[in-house]
Amino acid sequence: QKEVEQNSGPLSVPEGAIASLNCTYSDRGSQSFFWYRQYSGKSPELIMFIYSNGDKEDGRFTAQLNKASQYVSLLIRDSQPSDSATYLCAVRIAGNMLTFGGGTRLMVKP
Amino acid sequence: DAGVIQSPRHEVTEMGQEVTLRCKPISGHDYLFWYRQTMMRGLELLIYFNNNVPIDDSGMPEDRFSAKMPNASFSTLKIQPSEPRDSAVYFCASGATGISNQPQHFGDGTRLSIL
Repeated sequence: QKEVEQNSGPLSVPEGAIASLNCTYSDRGSQSFFWYRQYSGKSPELIMFIYSNGDKEDGRFTAQLNKASQYVSLLIRDSQPSDSATYLCAVRIAGNMLTFGGGTRLMVKP
Repeated sequence: DAGVIQSPRHEVTEMGQEVTLRCKPISGHDYLFWYRQTMMRGLELLIYFNNNVPIDDSGMPEDRFSAKMPNASFSTLKIQPSEPRDSAVYFCASGATGISNQPQHFGDGTRLSIL
Protein backbone atom coordinates (compact mmCIF):
# COMPACT_ATOMS: atom_id res chain seq x y z
CA GLN A 1 0.00 0.00 0.00
CA LYS A 2 1.30 3.42 -0.96
CA GLU A 3 1.78 5.93 1.83
CA VAL A 4 -0.31 8.58 0.08
CA GLU A 5 -3.00 7.52 -2.36
CA GLN A 6 -5.03 9.49 -4.85
CA ASN A 7 -7.36 8.50 -7.66
CA SER A 8 -5.45 9.26 -10.84
CA GLY A 9 -8.59 10.39 -12.68
CA PRO A 10 -9.25 12.12 -14.89
CA LEU A 11 -11.99 13.77 -12.89
CA SER A 12 -14.21 15.68 -15.28
CA VAL A 13 -16.55 18.41 -14.03
CA PRO A 14 -18.53 21.10 -15.88
CA GLU A 15 -17.58 24.73 -15.51
CA GLY A 16 -19.16 26.26 -12.41
CA ALA A 17 -19.50 22.96 -10.57
CA ILE A 18 -17.72 21.85 -7.40
CA ALA A 19 -14.70 19.62 -7.94
CA SER A 20 -13.89 17.25 -5.07
CA LEU A 21 -10.41 15.73 -4.88
CA ASN A 22 -9.58 13.11 -2.29
CA CYS A 23 -6.43 11.75 -0.72
CA THR A 24 -5.82 9.03 1.86
CA TYR A 25 -2.65 8.43 3.85
CA SER A 26 -1.38 5.49 5.84
CA ASP A 27 0.79 6.98 8.60
CA ARG A 28 -1.24 8.10 11.60
CA GLY A 29 1.72 10.19 12.71
CA SER A 30 1.32 12.50 9.73
CA GLN A 31 1.46 16.08 10.89
CA SER A 32 0.46 18.38 8.07
CA PHE A 33 -1.01 18.12 4.63
CA PHE A 34 -0.48 20.08 1.45
CA TRP A 35 -2.23 20.44 -1.87
CA TYR A 36 -0.15 21.35 -4.90
CA ARG A 37 -1.41 22.14 -8.37
CA GLN A 38 0.68 21.17 -11.38
CA TYR A 39 -0.11 22.35 -14.88
CA SER A 40 1.15 20.22 -17.73
CA GLY A 41 4.85 20.85 -18.28
CA LYS A 42 5.14 23.05 -15.19
CA SER A 43 6.32 22.61 -11.62
CA PRO A 44 4.08 21.97 -8.63
CA GLU A 45 2.79 25.10 -6.91
CA LEU A 46 1.30 25.20 -3.44
CA ILE A 47 -2.43 25.86 -3.15
CA MET A 48 -3.18 25.15 0.49
CA PHE A 49 -2.00 23.40 3.60
CA ILE A 50 -3.94 22.14 6.59
CA TYR A 51 -2.89 20.54 9.87
CA SER A 52 -5.99 20.59 12.10
CA ASN A 53 -9.13 18.52 11.73
CA GLY A 54 -11.92 20.32 9.97
CA ASP A 55 -12.15 22.73 7.09
CA LYS A 56 -9.87 25.50 5.90
CA GLU A 57 -11.09 27.90 3.25
CA ASP A 58 -9.12 30.14 0.91
CA GLY A 59 -11.14 31.78 -1.82
CA ARG A 60 -12.68 29.11 -4.03
CA PHE A 61 -10.62 26.38 -2.36
CA THR A 62 -11.49 24.43 0.78
CA ALA A 63 -9.24 21.81 2.33
CA GLN A 64 -10.82 19.26 4.63
CA LEU A 65 -8.94 17.02 7.05
CA ASN A 66 -10.18 14.00 8.96
CA LYS A 67 -7.32 12.44 10.90
CA ALA A 68 -9.47 9.66 12.38
CA SER A 69 -10.32 8.43 8.90
CA GLN A 70 -6.91 9.41 7.50
CA TYR A 71 -8.12 11.40 4.56
CA VAL A 72 -7.75 14.90 3.28
CA SER A 73 -9.74 16.47 0.50
CA LEU A 74 -9.73 19.58 -1.64
CA LEU A 75 -12.92 21.21 -2.85
CA ILE A 76 -12.85 23.71 -5.68
CA ARG A 77 -16.01 25.78 -5.96
CA ASP A 78 -17.15 27.42 -9.17
CA SER A 79 -14.62 25.38 -11.16
CA GLN A 80 -13.05 27.15 -14.11
CA PRO A 81 -11.32 25.72 -17.19
CA SER A 82 -8.12 27.30 -15.81
CA ASP A 83 -8.38 24.90 -12.85
CA SER A 84 -7.69 22.00 -15.20
CA ALA A 85 -4.45 20.52 -13.91
CA THR A 86 -3.06 17.67 -11.84
CA TYR A 87 -3.53 18.09 -8.10
CA LEU A 88 -0.93 16.53 -5.85
CA CYS A 89 -1.58 15.68 -2.22
CA ALA A 90 1.50 15.76 0.01
CA VAL A 91 1.88 14.62 3.61
CA ARG A 92 4.51 15.63 6.15
CA ILE A 93 5.24 12.87 8.62
CA ALA A 94 8.23 14.39 10.38
CA GLY A 95 10.80 17.05 9.81
CA ASN A 96 10.52 18.84 6.54
CA MET A 97 10.13 15.80 4.29
CA LEU A 98 6.98 15.41 2.18
CA THR A 99 5.54 12.26 0.66
CA PHE A 100 3.50 12.91 -2.47
CA GLY A 101 0.54 11.04 -3.88
CA GLY A 102 0.39 10.19 -7.55
CA GLY A 103 -1.91 13.11 -8.29
CA THR A 104 -5.44 13.47 -9.65
CA ARG A 105 -5.95 14.96 -13.07
CA LEU A 106 -8.85 17.41 -13.11
CA MET A 107 -10.58 18.49 -16.29
CA VAL A 108 -13.06 21.37 -16.16
CA LYS A 109 -15.17 21.50 -19.31
CA PRO A 110 -16.62 24.81 -20.53
CA ASP B 1 11.99 37.67 -4.55
CA ALA B 2 13.61 35.05 -6.77
CA GLY B 3 12.31 31.53 -6.51
CA VAL B 4 14.23 28.28 -6.80
CA ILE B 5 16.41 28.43 -9.91
CA GLN B 6 17.34 25.31 -11.83
CA SER B 7 19.58 24.83 -14.83
CA PRO B 8 19.54 23.70 -17.49
CA ARG B 9 15.83 23.67 -18.33
CA HIS B 10 16.33 20.94 -20.90
CA GLU B 11 19.12 18.45 -21.39
CA VAL B 12 19.45 15.91 -24.15
CA THR B 13 22.45 13.64 -24.12
CA GLU B 14 23.58 10.22 -25.16
CA MET B 15 23.68 7.19 -22.93
CA GLY B 16 26.90 6.91 -20.96
CA GLN B 17 27.51 10.64 -20.72
CA GLU B 18 27.79 12.50 -17.44
CA VAL B 19 24.89 14.79 -16.62
CA THR B 20 25.00 17.59 -14.04
CA LEU B 21 21.88 19.38 -12.89
CA ARG B 22 22.11 22.57 -10.88
CA CYS B 23 19.93 24.28 -8.31
CA LYS B 24 19.95 27.57 -6.43
CA PRO B 25 17.50 27.53 -3.50
CA ILE B 26 15.55 30.47 -2.20
CA SER B 27 17.79 32.66 -0.07
CA GLY B 28 17.37 31.88 3.62
CA HIS B 29 15.94 28.41 3.08
CA ASP B 30 17.87 25.73 4.95
CA TYR B 31 16.30 22.67 3.32
CA LEU B 32 16.91 21.54 -0.24
CA PHE B 33 15.22 18.61 -1.96
CA TRP B 34 15.83 16.80 -5.24
CA TYR B 35 12.85 15.04 -6.85
CA ARG B 36 12.37 13.03 -9.99
CA GLN B 37 9.02 12.89 -11.79
CA THR B 38 7.92 10.33 -14.37
CA MET B 39 4.53 9.27 -15.63
CA MET B 40 4.99 5.79 -14.24
CA ARG B 41 6.32 6.60 -10.77
CA GLY B 42 5.05 10.10 -10.13
CA LEU B 43 7.06 12.50 -7.95
CA GLU B 44 9.81 10.73 -6.04
CA LEU B 45 12.15 12.22 -3.45
CA LEU B 46 15.75 11.39 -4.28
CA ILE B 47 17.69 13.17 -1.54
CA TYR B 48 17.40 16.12 0.76
CA PHE B 49 19.81 18.39 2.60
CA ASN B 50 19.52 20.43 5.76
CA ASN B 51 22.07 23.19 6.29
CA ASN B 52 24.08 21.77 3.36
CA VAL B 53 24.31 18.31 4.97
CA PRO B 54 22.66 15.31 3.26
CA ILE B 55 20.02 13.94 5.60
CA ASP B 56 18.29 11.20 3.64
CA ASP B 57 19.52 9.76 0.34
CA SER B 58 17.47 6.58 0.47
CA GLY B 59 15.62 7.63 -2.67
CA MET B 60 18.75 7.79 -4.81
CA PRO B 61 18.22 4.94 -7.26
CA GLU B 62 21.80 3.71 -7.46
CA ASP B 63 25.45 4.65 -7.23
CA ARG B 64 25.33 6.36 -10.60
CA PHE B 65 23.51 9.20 -8.87
CA SER B 66 25.26 11.63 -6.54
CA ALA B 67 24.34 14.99 -5.05
CA LYS B 68 26.31 17.71 -3.37
CA MET B 69 25.59 20.98 -1.64
CA PRO B 70 28.88 22.83 -1.21
CA ASN B 71 27.20 25.95 0.18
CA ALA B 72 23.80 27.32 1.12
CA SER B 73 23.10 28.72 -2.31
CA PHE B 74 24.06 25.88 -4.65
CA SER B 75 23.47 22.19 -5.16
CA THR B 76 24.18 19.70 -7.93
CA LEU B 77 22.73 16.35 -8.89
CA LYS B 78 25.03 14.28 -11.04
CA ILE B 79 24.35 11.14 -13.03
CA GLN B 80 27.36 9.21 -14.28
CA PRO B 81 27.04 7.24 -16.47
CA SER B 82 23.56 8.18 -17.66
CA GLU B 83 21.06 5.60 -18.98
CA PRO B 84 17.82 5.99 -20.99
CA ARG B 85 15.76 5.01 -17.94
CA ASP B 86 17.03 8.16 -16.20
CA SER B 87 14.93 10.25 -18.57
CA ALA B 88 12.54 12.28 -16.42
CA VAL B 89 11.86 15.74 -15.09
CA TYR B 90 14.09 16.56 -12.15
CA PHE B 91 12.84 19.15 -9.68
CA CYS B 92 14.70 20.96 -6.97
CA ALA B 93 12.71 22.41 -4.07
CA SER B 94 13.65 24.39 -0.98
CA GLY B 95 12.03 25.03 2.36
CA ALA B 96 12.68 26.66 5.70
CA THR B 97 12.39 25.59 9.30
CA GLY B 98 11.27 27.81 12.09
CA ILE B 99 7.92 28.53 10.48
CA SER B 100 5.08 26.15 11.21
CA ASN B 101 4.01 24.15 8.19
CA GLN B 102 6.41 25.92 5.88
CA PRO B 103 5.83 24.42 2.43
CA GLN B 104 8.39 23.45 -0.14
CA HIS B 105 8.82 25.71 -3.15
CA PHE B 106 9.71 24.09 -6.44
CA GLY B 107 11.95 25.22 -9.24
CA ASP B 108 10.86 24.97 -12.88
CA GLY B 109 12.59 21.63 -13.29
CA THR B 110 15.08 20.13 -15.72
CA ARG B 111 13.65 17.92 -18.44
CA LEU B 112 16.29 15.25 -19.05
CA SER B 113 16.30 12.99 -22.08
CA ILE B 114 18.90 10.25 -22.38
CA LEU B 115 19.13 8.79 -25.88
